Formats: sequence, structure tokens, C-alpha cells
Amino acid sequence: TQLLEQSPQFLSIQEGENLTVYCNSSSVFSSLQWYRQEPGEGPVLLVTVVTGGEVKKLKRLTFQFGDARKDSSLHITAAQPGDTGLYLCAGAEGNNRLAFGKGNQVVVIP
Amino acid sequence: NAGVTQTPKFRILKIGQSMTLQCAQDMNHNYMYWYRQDPGMGLKLIYYSVGAGITDKGEVPNGYNVSRSTTEDFPLRLELAAPSQTSVYFCASSFAQTGTEAFFGQGTRLTVV
Repeated sequence: TQLLEQSPQFLSIQEGENLTVYCNSSSVFSSLQWYRQEPGEGPVLLVTVVTGGEVKKLKRLTFQFGDARKDSSLHITAAQPGDTGLYLCAGAEGNNRLAFGKGNQVVVIP
Repeated sequence: NAGVTQTPKFRILKIGQSMTLQCAQDMNHNYMYWYRQDPGMGLKLIYYSVGAGITDKGEVPNGYNVSRSTTEDFPLRLELAAPSQTSVYFCASSFAQTGTEAFFGQGTRLTVV
């Protein structure tokens, strides 16, 4: 099983600050996805990164896929309370499985 | 748009009881998945299916069974409930495995007492 490790596990910041969370693996992925999950809900897709070195922006969120396609990062600029949630990275394994990391719990304090 | 529908949303079971968690999707997706989510543990794959009639074990299949008789439905069966199966269960579907969005249901919160 390819392991996706996410760090930090928990992060609490003040509104307006910037933050970066990470998703790392020893294995190469053809693509990685980032999802956000809010309490009582299922995860919702934010972005899919496919090409090594790729950078995608979604308003104040910036996603980067490592050159070797083993890791990814999510940077949030000027965080807002609405960014609070569990951020999950996911990668497709060769045996048709979609595997998830444990997640980065982000809390933005007003 | 219904998307992925899970029922029930909440359930309390006694040890040794059985139940089926229902999952239906209306997007004509081939891939369907069952995950469990424990506090601080992310999502663990229980079973998955790549099409009607085809199922395979995930990371934590013990104590569960699935079937996929149609493209739309992917029920998860617990035969003899144990306290270790207390968790939130999510069903998901996607058009393909790699690079396509997985759509999740709202989850079933199961407590075994």
C-alpha cells in the first residue's frame, strides 16, 4: 500500500495569516487530489494535479505537485474562518484503489 | 442533482446485530468505494468496485461484505457488529480511477454498543 503522509496533522492560525500543509509519499503518483471536508459532510474535491512541478491556483489556495510526483503542498494566503476544515490528499494506486492521507486539520480563528 | 445517496445517516447497533448500509449513485459511475473514518485517522478503504459484478477488498475488509449487482447500487453489509466497527462510513463514486473526481455521500454514523 502506498502511504500518503500529511503534515502537520493539526494547525491553528489567526485570520489573515498564511499557511502551508504538506502531503508526502515515497511512491510516484500519476496524479494527486486535494479534498476539503467540513464537519458532518463528505469530502469535496478542490483540485487535481497531474504534471510534475504543476502549480494550480484556486482563489487564495495554491496547490503544487512535486517535480518527482511524490509530494504536494497546499498554501493558503490570508486565511479566513471559512477555510477551516480537514484537508485530505488522495492518490490513485495501481490496483484501482483511491488512497487517502490522514488529513491536515486547519482551524482559522477570527 | 442527487449524486451519491447514503442511508441511514445515523444508526445504533447492539453487538452481534447485522445491518446493511445503502449507497446509490445516479451519475453512471463505474467506480464505487466504501471508506470508514475514525477520529484523526483519515479515510480507510474497506471495499471497492470497478463495475457491476466486480468487487475487491481494500485496506480494512474484515467484518464487512459488499455486492454490486447494478451500476447504481453498492451496499455494505455488517454481519456481526462489533464495537470496533463504530465509525463514520462514507460511500464514494467516480467515473474512473485516476485523475477524476470522487463524489462522496454525506456519511453514515454508526455506533455499536
